[in-house]
Amino acid sequence: QVTLKESGPGILQPSQALSLTCTFSGFSLSTYGMRVSWIRQPSGKGLEWLATIDWDDDKYYNPSLKSRLTVSKDTSNNQAFLKITSMDSADTATYYCAWSLGYFDYWGQGVMVTVSS
Amino acid sequence: DIQMTQSPASLSASLEEIVTITCQASQDIGNWLAWYQQKPGKSPQLLIYDATSLADGVPSRFSGSRSGTQYSLKISRLQVEDIGSYYCQQAHSNPLTFGSGTKLEIK
Repeated sequence: QVTLKESGPGILQPSQALSLTCTFSGFSLSTYGMRVSWIRQPSGKGLEWLATIDWDDDKYYNPSLKSRLTVSKDTSNNQAFLKITSMDSADTATYYCAWSLGYFDYWGQGVMVTVSS
Repeated sequence: DIQMTQSPASLSASLEEIVTITCQASQDIGNWLAWYQQKPGKSPQLLIYDATSLADGVPSRFSGSRSGTQYSLKISRLQVEDIGSYYCQQAHSNPLTFGSGTKLEIK
């Protein structure tokens, strides 16, 4: 059974960097074809793909945010990470990690992140 | 970027009614399309992948179809548990993009 759970600070100030952790079970991110993706959703709004990291450490970023995003993984501890620099109120959203084979097959419960002074 | 134009934005339908949601891709994406359901306060869940394949555990009243660059999600007999929002997503090329969503309510 695949499960994922996001964790993060909850609230941070403008210009700070956001660091999120996705802790998963039921698969290994060192297995061929496995991927973990990050998606966000502002309250009451739609979904936006942010980044994906592959089993072989290939990384893909949304060009609209690429300069601010860094995705990484720790396969021995079944974790993936997302860092976003220079956070702004427009980045206030629920952030999800998802297990991907070809699509976003399983999602975590999400973590709400608020950017406020 | 590939744009996914989803319609309608909201939909109110009666129980047992047939419901159809559509997504128009701005360019050819083949069958690289998924549909997700998001129930209120929950994470999205994969319903349909490869445009027409039902994800594990999804009731057979859900189905997906394709005509050129237009994709449809059909609920054959609407049930109470189907309320929520629905999103299409193209997986043809990066950046991966979603439709703007359809909010489905019971009339």
